[in-house]
Amino acid sequence: GENVEQHPSTLSVQEGDSAVIKCTYSDSASNYFPWYKQELGKRPQLIIDIRSNVGEKKDQRIAVTLNKTAKHFSLHITETQPEDSAVYFCAASRNYGQNFVFGPGTRLSVLP
Amino acid sequence: DAGVTQSPTHLIKTRGQQVTLRCSPKSGHDTVSWYQQALGQGPQFIFQYYEEEERQRGNFPDRFSGHQFPNYSSELNVNALLLGDSALYLCASRARTSGLVYEQYFGPGTRLTVT
Repeated sequence: GENVEQHPSTLSVQEGDSAVIKCTYSDSASNYFPWYKQELGKRPQLIIDIRSNVGEKKDQRIAVTLNKTAKHFSLHITETQPEDSAVYFCAASRNYGQNFVFGPGTRLSVLP
Repeated sequence: DAGVTQSPTHLIKTRGQQVTLRCSPKSGHDTVSWYQQALGQGPQFIFQYYEEEERQRGNFPDRFSGHQFPNYSSELNVNALLLGDSALYLCASRARTSGLVYEQYFGPGTRLTVT
């Protein structure tokens, strides 16, 4: 089955710097890759997603890139703010949104 | 437009007991998935329901069972609780019949503690 790895497990950046989180997946049939942000004690919230027919997607300060050949995808956050501090999870899915396999998460801390 | 709701928010049970968790999907959604999130880990897929049937199942024992009702709401049942079942149980919904919409939205979760 699918296996998703995520790095780094923790990431600290200064406010205003950029943050990059990388994920790799094992199942070449995966075709949908969402990213979720989970603040302490709250539900995971979808922040951006990408489909396998697209190489890059951007939404304001957040962007995601996908390399199907290498089977990895990355989350890029620019101009980080303290409210970006949270745990970020990547996920991979076959059949466009069937069961998601999540990575172990990255705890991002944005230092003022 | 109500989002995904879950009840109860917190639950404390004893080993060997049984528990039922409930989920109401986001308005317009017909597919419900359940996930288990242990502390410090990513959510793990338990199963997915659509048209009142279990469509996919993750690597969880038969002690975990579910149900979906005609109004698309769902229940997760766990029998013979173990200490290791302590976790946040998340429900997620999506609209399978909406063609190209793949997004899945999570509820706030039920925190289950087994003592």
